[in-house]
Amino acid sequence: GESVGLHLPTLSVQEGDNSIINCAYSNSASDYFIWYKQESGKGPQFIIDIRSNMDKRQGQRVTVLLNKTVKHLSLQIAATQPGDSAVYFCAGANTGFQKLVFGTGTRLLVSP
Amino acid sequence: EAQVTQNPRYLITVTGKKLTVTCSQNMNHEYMSWYRQDPGLGLRQIYYSMNVEVTDKGDVPEGYKVSRKEKRNFPLILESPSPNQTSLYFCASRVGPSGANVLTFGAGSRLTVL
Repeated sequence: GESVGLHLPTLSVQEGDNSIINCAYSNSASDYFIWYKQESGKGPQFIIDIRSNMDKRQGQRVTVLLNKTVKHLSLQIAATQPGDSAVYFCAGANTGFQKLVFGTGTRLLVSP
Repeated sequence: EAQVTQNPRYLITVTGKKLTVTCSQNMNHEYMSWYRQDPGLGLRQIYYSMNVEVTDKGDVPEGYKVSRKEKRNFPLILESPSPNQTSLYFCASRVGPSGANVLTFGAGSRLTVL
């Protein structure tokens, strides 16, 4: 079956640094890729998504890069803040978005 | 406030005692889904529903049932819980196939089966 998300378990950064969280996927049939943020004790929260026909998408302080050649997805967070500390998941979705396959997550720790 | 509400938030039960985790959304969303979250495995989809009376299996449906009699509710039923169903469960909803691909998640229900 499809698998998404060969994450590093933990990423530690200093406040103000840029963070890069990486994700690899195995199924080329995914039509969308999505990044979620999960804070302690809460459900995942949508950050940004990207369609498979794009290679870059920018949001507010976040950028998602998609490299289909090597099946790699990354989330870049600019000027990381303590409030960015959370677990970040990538997920792949089929065209109809019925099924979502999540990666195992990367914990981002931001120190002042 | 637009939200997905799950109940109970915490539950400890024993093997074989039927339980239901309720999920309700107030956004008139067509699509709803259940996930379980386990350490090292991320979130895995249990069941999803495209609309009222339309449900389908996700990746790990064994031991679970769902129903979608009303648009706002999507309960998860464990007919005979077993210890391997100890997990953190999330319900989520979104508009529908033509809507934005943004899932809104509930706060989670932590279930322990002894």
